[in-house]
Amino acid sequence: GAVVSQHPSWVICKSGTSVKIECRSLDFQATTMFWYRQFPKQSLMLMATSNEGSKATYEQGVEKDKFLINHASLTLSTLTVTSAHPEDSSFYICSAREPSVEAYNEQFFGPGTRLTVL
Amino acid sequence: LAKTTQPISMDSYEGQEVNITCSHNNIATNDYITWYQQFPSQGPRFIIQGYKTKVTNEVASLFIPADRKSSTLSLPRVSLSDTAVYYCLVGYNDYKLSFGAGTTVTVRA
Repeated sequence: GAVVSQHPSWVICKSGTSVKIECRSLDFQATTMFWYRQFPKQSLMLMATSNEGSKATYEQGVEKDKFLINHASLTLSTLTVTSAHPEDSSFYICSAREPSVEAYNEQFFGPGTRLTVL
Repeated sequence: LAKTTQPISMDSYEGQEVNITCSHNNIATNDYITWYQQFPSQGPRFIIQGYKTKVTNEVASLFIPADRKSSTLSLPRVSLSDTAVYYCLVGYNDYKLSFGAGTTVTVRA
């Protein structure tokens, strides 16, 4: 199946710094990628939809100036958490849809990035 | 997006069959039913999808009654490695997946 990777797998940073997380589709091109956040013992929450060559679409309540998304190529989307604070500590997961896959609602997820802000 | 309701948790033993039922009373005509599996500290993984009746793959079976207001994911002969959270999703939109609380399945030896 299609593979989506994320880097880094985990990161620890100081409060006030910015952190960039990369999401790559390794064997397919993804015009659209998605970013989720998951707090401990909770479900995934969609943060934004990343569109190649255009601005990301953010879900209600997600600050676009804090969570910067750049989808510069068909295989790479980045999420930058700006001025991170301890409450931003979470598990960030990206996903992408492989265009040739026939099943509706089937997306391929990355392994996730654990962000800890001290 | 149709709302789904699943049990919060289920316990089972190795070798048993696990059946997780998901309720989706307001499913739309075009909606598909999709199940994902998530292990701790990993991204979710697509398991199976169906529209009506029964779908089976190498991992699971999905049973959908005629009214489509519920569905049951069946995991045959579970092992310890099947311990995970299972999410039921309903929709037609390729892009916005809405994850509910999911069902935590714990398989014991």
